[in-house]
Amino acid sequence: NAGVMQNPRHLVRRRGQEARLRCSPMKGHSHVYWYRQLPEEGLKFMVYLQKENIIDESGMPKERFSAEFPKEGPSILRIQQVVRGDSAAYFCASSPPGSDNQPQHFGDGTRLSIL
Amino acid sequence: SQQGEEDPQALSIQEGENATMNCSYKTSINNLQWYRQNSGRGLVHLILIRSNEREKHSGRLRVTLDTSKKSSSLLITASRAADTASYFCATDGSGGSNYKLTFGKGTLLTVNP
Repeated sequence: NAGVMQNPRHLVRRRGQEARLRCSPMKGHSHVYWYRQLPEEGLKFMVYLQKENIIDESGMPKERFSAEFPKEGPSILRIQQVVRGDSAAYFCASSPPGSDNQPQHFGDGTRLSIL
Repeated sequence: SQQGEEDPQALSIQEGENATMNCSYKTSINNLQWYRQNSGRGLVHLILIRSNEREKHSGRLRVTLDTSKKSSSLLITASRAADTASYFCATDGSGGSNYKLTFGKGTLLTVNP
C-alpha cells in the first residue's frame, strides 16, 4: 500500500544546473499536484496535472519551471538554470479521480539545495 | 490576503494536556482540512470538514468550523509526545479551483513528556 513516492529525497545542485524531481502518485490516483515550501512557511500551490494534461499551472514561476505527467511513468517537476532562491522543499500530492480533488495525499518531499 | 492563518505560531504543553490550534481564512471555501507535518517529512492528512459541517471527530481529534467567522479549530485531547509536529490548516478554493489548497504557516506543537 505504497503512498506517494518522491525521489530523490535530497538534491544538491550548483547554480545554473538543472533539477529534476520525480513523483509517483498513489495507486489508482490520476491527479497530481506540486507544492513548494520555503523555510518556516506553509506550502504554496504550483501546478495541477492529470495524465498528459496540465490543468492549472498558475502557481508556477513563468520561467525555468515546467511540469509533466506522462501517460507512463512518474510526474516530473523540472527546474532549469537553478538559482539560490529555488532552495526549498518540493512536495507532490495525489488524489483519485472523481474525489472532488480531496483529500490530497502527500509524499515526503524533495529537499532541493542550491550551492 | 492570505488564507489559512494558524495561531498560535508555537504551542508547548505537557503530555496529557489538551492542545487547541486555531485557523482563520478570508474567502469562501468548500472544505477545510488539517494536516500534520513531522520534521523533515511530508504532510499527513488528519481530517477534512465540509463547509456545511460544524464539528467533526476522529479519535483524539476534534475539529470545529464556523463559516460565519471564517475560522476553524483543531483540538487534540490527551496529547502524547508523538503528537509533537507542525499542524497546518488548508482551505480549498470554492468554485472551479477546489483542488488548489492554500496553507497557513502552521502551528508548531511541542508535547513535553
